[in-house]
Amino acid sequence: NAGVTQTPKFQVLKTGQSMTLQCAQDMNHEYMSWYRQDPGMGLRLIHYSVGAGITDQGEVPNGYNVSRSTTEDFPLRLLSAAPSQTSVYFCASRPFGTSGSYEQYFGPGTRLTVT
Amino acid sequence: AQTVTQSQPEMSVQEAETVTLSCTYDTSESDYYLFWYKQPPSRQMILVIRQEAYKQQNATENRFSVNFQKAAKSFSLKISDSQLGDAAMYFCAYRRDHAGNNRKLIWGLGTSLAVNP
Repeated sequence: NAGVTQTPKFQVLKTGQSMTLQCAQDMNHEYMSWYRQDPGMGLRLIHYSVGAGITDQGEVPNGYNVSRSTTEDFPLRLLSAAPSQTSVYFCASRPFGTSGSYEQYFGPGTRLTVT
Repeated sequence: AQTVTQSQPEMSVQEAETVTLSCTYDTSESDYYLFWYKQPPSRQMILVIRQEAYKQQNATENRFSVNFQKAAKSFSLKISDSQLGDAAMYFCAYRRDHAGNNRKLIWGLGTSLAVNP
């Protein structure tokens, strides 16, 4: 069981470039989400998905796209990177279910710098 | 809207001593869950402890325990016999327990804990 994996671990982009942050989980979790973490701002939800084919916006969705074609994968796309998107990005997953007690499992994070 | 407040941006403790991290939250819900997550320098987020609001008994996991005061909307984390490996950022989080397709975690801004040898 690899848990939640993210690639790459580090990335430097120039303003205007595009890229996709990859996230995969092998726990058959329905719920997956992307957060960004900035100093003094805590964790902010970008997008989330409650199952294949279903995605929705979180607190800070602008500048990011997601898709969920399979249960396992939930990639995050930056279409035109901006310096304001310099951050650490975390992918997380958990069972969906009817209980709110499910633990959320996090990936190791991707540190993105946009110059 | 629900909010989570961690009023201590930084804390420090001597090794083997006890430290308490504060968390308060605001909600009108009666059923919910509270979590403490640890984020060491490796950046990996790790669940430390969870508390169901309907349970009066405070959750305990080895050296970690909580003081859950539902009426006061307070959820503090106590770390006993602190170890160097406890040094990390600690996040308090809230999740409502209503059915629906979106039970997002609401996060505090974190408390950075230093453990002094």
